[in-house]
Amino acid sequence: SQKIEQNSEALNIQEGKTATLTCNYTNYSPAYLQWYRQDPGRGPVFLLLIRENEKEKRKERLKVTFDTTLKQSLFHITASQPADSATYLCALGDDNNNDMRFGAGTRLTVKP
Amino acid sequence: ETGVTQSPTHLIKTRGQQVTLRCSSQSGHNTVSWYQQALGQGPQFIFQYYREEENGRGNFPPRFSGLQFPNYSSELNVNALELDDSALYLCASSLQGPNTEAFFGQGTRLTVV
Repeated sequence: SQKIEQNSEALNIQEGKTATLTCNYTNYSPAYLQWYRQDPGRGPVFLLLIRENEKEKRKERLKVTFDTTLKQSLFHITASQPADSATYLCALGDDNNNDMRFGAGTRLTVKP
Repeated sequence: ETGVTQSPTHLIKTRGQQVTLRCSSQSGHNTVSWYQQALGQGPQFIFQYYREEENGRGNFPPRFSGLQFPNYSSELNVNALELDDSALYLCASSLQGPNTEAFFGQGTRLTVV
């Protein structure tokens, strides 16, 4: 069955460092992958989308890579700030189905 | 703010009852998807509506049903509530088509006792 795993439940880093979050998947060939941020008690907020034929996408301090051979996406936040503390979700989808499959999320805490 | 609003924000129901949750889409969006998010888990796809028709369904029983109205607002109905239905219910609006970003509401926290 399809499985989406995000590297760890929680990640703690120091302000100013780069946070790297991992999303691995099995038994699935997604056409695209999205990353969302979710704060407690709130709905997810879209951050970045990357398609299967793209290796890397950037937006301000965010960078996403997508390796379809390794079946893995990496999400980087450079120069991290305490305001970046949140849960980050990866979601996979394809062009034939309308459902996005989410991982369980990684809770990132950036300490001052 | 995404422009997607859900009501109510919190709800407590008794096992066996029925519940209706509501969602107003972002202006210009013709597609609404509903998700169930249990504590500590990622959202699970329930179903999607596009122009008032169901356009995809996840692995949820028939007691989960929905509607989309001509103004693209939507309802999620759950019959015969079970304790395991306790979760955050999220709706997301988008434009139809692949790889479009979804705009989520703040969710409805449903507790079944």
